[in-house]
Amino acid sequence: EVQLVESGGGLVQPGRSLRLSCTASGFTFGDYAMSWFRQAPGKGLEWVGFIRSKAYGGTTEYAASVKGRFTISRDDSKSIAYLQMNSLKTEDTAVYYCTRGAAAGRAYWGQGTLVTVSS
Amino acid sequence: EIVLTQSPDFQSVTPKEKVTITCRASQSIGTNLHWYQQKPGQSPKLLIKSASQSFSGVPSRFSGSGSGTDFTLTINSLEAEDAATYYCHQSSSFPTFGQGTRLEIK
Repeated sequence: EVQLVESGGGLVQPGRSLRLSCTASGFTFGDYAMSWFRQAPGKGLEWVGFIRSKAYGGTTEYAASVKGRFTISRDDSKSIAYLQMNSLKTEDTAVYYCTRGAAAGRAYWGQGTLVTVSS
Repeated sequence: EIVLTQSPDFQSVTPKEKVTITCRASQSIGTNLHWYQQKPGQSPKLLIKSASQSFSGVPSRFSGSGSGTDFTLTINSLEAEDAATYYCHQSSSFPTFGQGTRLEIK
């Protein structure tokens, strides 16, 4: 059974950093791209970015709203994808989800982890 | 960026009614359009992929159609458990979502 578990969320002050983790199980992690999405309280879904599998260069793509501040990485030996968030803004407050894949419909989502950016 | 516009934003319906939600893309996306259901406090659940393919385990009352710029999610014989927000999502280019359609069951 495919499982994705996000962790690392919490309360952080504006301008500070936070790293989220997405721990995967139930599939060969290294074979898949991994994506991050977010959802601000009471709002819709927003794509954050994704990282390709090593077979496709392990390269990354980001939404304009986070480019230059957020970095996605992966550790295939641990089946974990990371979202490093720097220079956080209040508008980054959201539930952050990871999903398997970088194209087509996303069948597998984690339960999400809440990030609150506030002073 | 491809903009997806859903209509309506909100609909209040009675059980057993048929519901239609539309999603219009700002440019042609082929059939790279997917539908999700999200209930409060839960992560999104995939209902329909590639415009018309039902995802495994999804009740048969959910169906999707369309291609190019105009897409439809249909729920036949609505049930109380279908109260949720529904989102369309395009994967033709960097992902974007519709603003969501909240469905209330009377």
